[in-house]
Amino acid sequence: GENVEQHPSTLSVQEGDSAVIKCTYSDSASNYFPWYKQELGKRPQLIIDIRSNVGEKKDQRIAVTLNKTAKHFSLHITETQPEDSAVYFCAALLSGGYQKVTFGTGTKLQVIP
Amino acid sequence: NAGVTQTPKFRVLKTGQSMTLLCAQDMNHEYMYWYRQDPGMGLRLIHYSVGEGTTAKGEVPDGYNVSRLKKQNFLLGLESAAPSQTSVYFCASSSGQTGANVLTFGAGSRLTVL
Repeated sequence: GENVEQHPSTLSVQEGDSAVIKCTYSDSASNYFPWYKQELGKRPQLIIDIRSNVGEKKDQRIAVTLNKTAKHFSLHITETQPEDSAVYFCAALLSGGYQKVTFGTGTKLQVIP
Repeated sequence: NAGVTQTPKFRVLKTGQSMTLLCAQDMNHEYMYWYRQDPGMGLRLIHYSVGEGTTAKGEVPDGYNVSRLKKQNFLLGLESAAPSQTSVYFCASSSGQTGANVLTFGAGSRLTVL
C-alpha cells in the first residue's frame, strides 16, 4: 500500500518568512495530492491540492509543487502570518476506486510574530 | 447544511466498557471514513465504507467494528475499550465521484479510556 513520509515534524518561522513542508510517497500510481490544515482543536480542512498531470499550483500565498519522477511534493507558504500556525498534513491518493487517502504524520508550523 | 456531524464530542470510558460513535453526513456522499489521530502519528484509517451496507478495514481496525445501515450514517463501535484506544476520532466523507476527492471532516470525538 501507499506510504507517505512528511518532514519536518515541527517548523518555526518568523512572521513574513517562508515555510516549506516536504512529503514523499511510495506508490507511483498515486495521482492526487491534497494538503490539509488543522488548527488547534479544530477539524482538518483542505487548503490546496494538486493532480499528477500538473507540476505546480498556486493559491495566493500557498503553493504546491509535485515531482512525479522523484515521488515527492511540497507545500510552500510565503509571507507567513500568525494565523498560518497549525498542523499541516499531506496526503496521497489513487483517484478512482475507493479513494483510500494515506496521510503523512503532520508538520506543526509555528509562526512567531 | 451541517456537513459531517459526530456525536458525542467527548467521552470517558473505563477499560472493558463499550460505546458507539455516530457520524452523520447530509451531503449525500457515498464514501465515509473513520480515522484516529494520535500525537506524532497523523491520521490513521480505522475503517471505511464505499456505500450503504458496505464496510472495509483500514490500517488500524483491531478492536473496532463499524456499520453503515443507512447512507448518511457511519457508526464506529468499541466492544471492549482499552487505554490504547484513547484518541481523537474523526469521521470524514467524500462524494466518491472520480475527480472529486475532497474529504469533509467532522469536528472530532475525544475519547479517554481509563
